[in-house]
Amino acid sequence: DGGITQSPKYLFRKEGQNVTLSCEQNLNHDAMYWYRQDPGQGLRLIYYSQIVNDFQKGDIAEGYSVSREKKESFPLTVTSAQKNPTAFYLCASNQGGAGDETQYFGPGTRLLVL
Amino acid sequence: GESVGLHLPTLSVQEGDNSIINCAYSNSASDYFIWYKQESGKGPQFIIDIRSNMDKRQGQRVTVLLNKTVKHLSLQIAATQPGDSAVYFCAEISGGSYIPTFGRGTSLIVHP
Repeated sequence: DGGITQSPKYLFRKEGQNVTLSCEQNLNHDAMYWYRQDPGQGLRLIYYSQIVNDFQKGDIAEGYSVSREKKESFPLTVTSAQKNPTAFYLCASNQGGAGDETQYFGPGTRLLVL
Repeated sequence: GESVGLHLPTLSVQEGDNSIINCAYSNSASDYFIWYKQESGKGPQFIIDIRSNMDKRQGQRVTVLLNKTVKHLSLQIAATQPGDSAVYFCAEISGGSYIPTFGRGTSLIVHP
């Protein structure tokens, strides 16, 4: 099946701990994105990458880090600097060019703080 | 309209009714629009899209209408079914940028 996978489905973080959320796509998309979703709010962009080995900060990048070493993978690390990490995290991808803007989403990871 | 705090606008309908979900977008330069459906605890699913050179586009049981004059987008769902219960939100993309801006969403509740 072609698509985007995220793991784990649920993740628990202890105070002071860094945790990493996985996102993998086999759609051969160039661009990948991380969003945070809080109850009653729209999706907020954390980081995005339009090509391998390059990424840009989104609207709420503080306390997060990413890497894009492979086209199909875009892991997100929630660092201890992120003081309010409890949220639903969504990864998306698209081809990124004109006419190919539609983003397709993974199933999400819910992060909870212990 | 908009709600305060954690609560999304909600539309309650009976099974078999037609549903209309509205979205006001913010950027007059936006030229591509997408509707997504998000079921509880899942990622958003693409439903239908429309470009600014059109004012109407139809899919299976869904129709999207675009009014650029008042910057308004609507999603019509025909013969709504309980499986349509979800949060629906729109996204707008302006030319030259491939980063969408997402609306907060509307919760659709379909009663059997």
